[in-house]
Amino acid sequence: GQQVMQIPQYQHVQEGEDFTTYCNSSTTLSNIQWYKQRPGGHPVFLIQLVKSGEVKKQKRLTFQFGEAKKNSSLHITATQTTDVGTYFCAGSLYGNKLVFGAGTILRVKS
Amino acid sequence: DVKVTQSSRYLVKRTGEKVFLECVQDMDHENMFWYRQDPGLGLRLIYFSYDVKMKEKGDIPEGYSVSREKKERFSLILESASTNQTSMYLCASSRNPSGRREQYFGPGTRLTVT
Repeated sequence: GQQVMQIPQYQHVQEGEDFTTYCNSSTTLSNIQWYKQRPGGHPVFLIQLVKSGEVKKQKRLTFQFGEAKKNSSLHITATQTTDVGTYFCAGSLYGNKLVFGAGTILRVKS
Repeated sequence: DVKVTQSSRYLVKRTGEKVFLECVQDMDHENMFWYRQDPGLGLRLIYFSYDVKMKEKGDIPEGYSVSREKKERFSLILESASTNQTSMYLCASSRNPSGRREQYFGPGTRLTVT
């Protein structure tokens, strides 16, 4: 079945450093979504990318969708302690079912 | 403000017991989902429903069943709980089309089967 691979599984950064998580699919996706789950919380939707090569920004967060629509990345500039949590990507093949990646756990040392 | 609520935050059950997890959403969403979350495995879809009384198996339906008698309510049933079903269970809902609309998650139920 459709699989969405996400790396790294875990990253520990110093506050102020940058952070990137990557999402890869073996098949072309129609769209990709990103979610954030704070420790002890539930996943919360961040953004959706639909177009090939699309780049969207939310303050210090930059989201990219690859030209082939098979990969995506989330980059955080100058991490803060409020960025801690697990970041999930979720891709859809035909716009019907979302498949979630395993998530990247981000820890920030202050 | 969309709200998805789950009947319990924490639940402890014994092996062999029948377990009901309830989920209610208040935004008239067509789609509802049940996931389990385990460390290193992310969110795995158990079942989803795209309409009242309609359901489809997800990636890991074995040992589970679901019920959707009303649009706002989606129940997950463990017919005979086993220790390998100890996990965090998350319910979610969305509008159509389900793959292109954001999912709203409930707070989760942490189930321990002893």
